[in-house]
Amino acid sequence: GAVVSQHPSWVICKSGTSVKIECRSLDFQATTMFWYRQFPKQSLMLMATSNEGSKATYEQGVEKDKFLINHASLTLSTLTVTSAHPEDSSFYICSARDRDRGVQETQYFGPGTRLLVL
Amino acid sequence: GENVEQHPSTLSVQEGDSAVIKCTYSDSASNYFPWYKQELGKRPQLIIDIRSNVGEKKDQRIAVTLNKTAKHFSLHITETQPEDSAVYFCAAYNFNKFYFGSGTKLNVKP
Repeated sequence: GAVVSQHPSWVICKSGTSVKIECRSLDFQATTMFWYRQFPKQSLMLMATSNEGSKATYEQGVEKDKFLINHASLTLSTLTVTSAHPEDSSFYICSARDRDRGVQETQYFGPGTRLLVL
Repeated sequence: GENVEQHPSTLSVQEGDSAVIKCTYSDSASNYFPWYKQELGKRPQLIIDIRSNVGEKKDQRIAVTLNKTAKHFSLHITETQPEDSAVYFCAAYNFNKFYFGSGTKLNVKP
């Protein structure tokens, strides 16, 4: 149980295009999903917290107009990188918390999406 | 906000030896401390966690200790094996957010 998927796993795009990444909880309902960014050989940096049915909460320094987050259902959150540029190239990982599990803090990670902007 | 520091950044041990990774945190409100193992290009996987009302927790070869007064917690891996080689991250949780350490690359030499 507690499986989180991400799609796509790999994406290469041209500079200026927008890219949408999906994060799904497959066997549980997630009221909260987190979006992280990870540069090579670095730690996970929290970008935003996504709550179902409400606006995402962005971390300081993360442009909300650049990284659009939508959490329209209890099993799906999307991250759209708008007008992507080479510096947006990174590994994006989502995680989700199971609404119905007793241990509320536990988060389950998706497999990540590697974005390369040319 | 919370600040989590992790040491060392790299750790090389001989197979069978023990490995210890240490983290400190700054916010006394943090109350949950998970440890993750991440292999190259893959998702972080929870290997052990501890809550602020517990001082130590053990799961087979892995143990975590927490000193709330000093605000530090440590991961202990005994009888290391080559498959333990990976990057390990500590994290602290408070106010609905996770704050990660910078990671430790563990290399277990056969």
